[in-house]
Amino acid sequence: EPEVTQTPSHQVTQMGQEVILRCVPISNHLYFYWYRQILGQKVEFLVSFYNNEISEKSEIFDDQFSVERPDGSNFTLKIRSTKLEDSAMYFCASREQGYTFGSGTRLTVV
Amino acid sequence: AQTVTQSQPEMSVQEAETVTLSCTYDTSENNYYLFWYKQPPSRQMILVIRQEAYKQQNATENRFSVNFQKAAKSFSLKISDSQLGDTAMYFCAFMKSGGGSNYKLTFGKGTLLTVNP
Repeated sequence: EPEVTQTPSHQVTQMGQEVILRCVPISNHLYFYWYRQILGQKVEFLVSFYNNEISEKSEIFDDQFSVERPDGSNFTLKIRSTKLEDSAMYFCASREQGYTFGSGTRLTVV
Repeated sequence: AQTVTQSQPEMSVQEAETVTLSCTYDTSENNYYLFWYKQPPSRQMILVIRQEAYKQQNATENRFSVNFQKAAKSFSLKISDSQLGDTAMYFCAFMKSGGGSNYKLTFGKGTLLTVNP
């Protein structure tokens, strides 16, 4: 069964550093998403991406965040200057008829 | 905006017994989907079951079934013959469909289900 692949599985970074979270969606899917789950809390929508542009973003997705599909296969989430409160599990998902989630990247900002 | 409410932060059940997890939602939309996702300790998000709002028949997937009450905006999950592997966090989620939708998911806060041997 096709999978959404996320790398790395765990990233530790210092506050103020830039991080890039990587995702390889399912190849024939056209819709891509990033969600965030702070430990012990609910999963929250960050951004949706379609036809090489952002189709919707949440209030969380401020100027520190950006997304890109640089080469037609990868889908990346960049956080420019990480804050302690960015520590969370970040899930990538792609969708055609239904959602497929990746296994997540645990980001720890110290 | 849509909201999803799961009023049971934690539940427990004995192995082989049946348990029902509650979910209510609020929306003014007519076209939408509802989902239950399972998140085991690995934190992977696994789809358990989905329901299209226009379908009156309740969805069923093996030991998992839903009770979808559209007028009451209620969407509960019943797990029959509970197994130890069902121990996980369960999230109820809403997705608007149709024109103008980005098909984003709105999640509830989750219910932590523990199946006891």
